[in-house]
Amino acid sequence: KAGVTQTPRYLIKTRGQQVTLSCSPISGHRSVSWYQQTPGQGLQFLFEYFSETQRNKGNFPGRFSGRQFSNSRSEMNVSTLELGDSALYLCASSEGAELAQYFGAGTRLSVL
Amino acid sequence: AQTVTQSQPEMSVQEAETVTLSCTYDTSESNYYLFWYKQPPSRQMILVIRQEAYKQQNATENRFSVNFQKAAKSFSLKISDSQLGDTAMYFCAFIPLHTGTASKLTFGTGTRLQVTL
Repeated sequence: KAGVTQTPRYLIKTRGQQVTLSCSPISGHRSVSWYQQTPGQGLQFLFEYFSETQRNKGNFPGRFSGRQFSNSRSEMNVSTLELGDSALYLCASSEGAELAQYFGAGTRLSVL
Repeated sequence: AQTVTQSQPEMSVQEAETVTLSCTYDTSESNYYLFWYKQPPSRQMILVIRQEAYKQQNATENRFSVNFQKAAKSFSLKISDSQLGDTAMYFCAFIPLHTGTASKLTFGTGTRLQVTL
């Protein structure tokens, strides 16, 4: 089976812009979770989708949003980018919510 | 709320030696899963090993094994016969086993492991 695929691998944006990140889960996995990784805050949970429904959300502002499509692919959107949004964004998929999550290689976002 | 603590920011081990990474966690949950993930410089987060809290037997995966002490809320990772390819950041992670907070992994701050010749 192919692993979790995240695109793009790198992004450079300027403050105020918006960005969309994409995640294709492992085939058959219906749960997709997003995490933000920064040197200062470590790994923080953004949100989780299961069968196109957001089931859980972390403590991030409303500028961070996501969605999941019927084929389980997920997108994450960040609007009105701030310098502090520079981070590695990781997507993970699993067969069920509490089972092992498998991660993609991440998207490195740099906000200038 | 759950917390995961990794008290060793950095560790070093010689090739072929054994090293143990520490992890403690705090939770009021009785059923949960614990994981160790490694993140090499390529930044891909890789699942190393998983432990179900209801299982008393410690999980093992080839050279990797855990020492799970539920009462002490301790979950250490032992790497035997260390290899250069084990050089990575290692994260301990926790997830409760119920739908209320399902799928939200809580990570520790990580331990950077360097395997040397």
